[in-house]
Amino acid sequence: GQNIDQPTEMTATEGAIVQINCTYQTSGFNGLFWYQQHAGEAPTFLSYNVLDGLEEKGRFSSFLSRSKGYSYLLLKELQMKDSASYLCAVRDSNYQLIWGAGTKLIIKP
Amino acid sequence: IAGITQAPTSQILAAGRRMTLRCTQDMRHNAMYWYRQDLGLGLRLIHYSNTAGTTGKGEVPDGYSVSRANTDDFPLTLASAVPSQTSVYFCASSDSTQGRIAFGSGTRLTVV
Repeated sequence: GQNIDQPTEMTATEGAIVQINCTYQTSGFNGLFWYQQHAGEAPTFLSYNVLDGLEEKGRFSSFLSRSKGYSYLLLKELQMKDSASYLCAVRDSNYQLIWGAGTKLIIKP
Repeated sequence: IAGITQAPTSQILAAGRRMTLRCTQDMRHNAMYWYRQDLGLGLRLIHYSNTAGTTGKGEVPDGYSVSRANTDDFPLTLASAVPSQTSVYFCASSDSTQGRIAFGSGTRLTVV
């Protein structure tokens, strides 16, 4: 079966750096997405990786290794507003998105 | 403002009743989706439509039906609601099956 694994919850300190990991086993691969979801709101797009390597976008970066079925989202200079759930999703060979359960990130002052 | 509009925002529904969740997008996206999100679980695809006039079943389609008469609208119908359909429902769209997905603000449905 297809599976996306992410940690359930992580805690970090304001101003610090945190890395959220995502491992996947899917039928084919056509890209990996990271979304941010604040409590009670809809998910919003953060990043997209289809080739191996690091994609940097401001304070957020996302890394992909297709051979290892692995990605991470790196958040730098954490702010209180970064407290949210972070969802990893992989597009499979049928172009369907398979979603992880999400990682709840708690930022402490 | 371009985007996806869902209605209602929330609803309490008696078991056995029929309910249609509405979704309209103005981005001219070809593909549309309905997901449900439950605590501790990832987003689960209910039904999808790759283009107007076509629909397909997702991971959890039982008890739900959809139609796609035109590009903009993609309603989700619960024929006879059951308590296990209590969830937050998100409508989403993308310009193609390969594009990134944008989400509506969600409908919180409680079936009692």
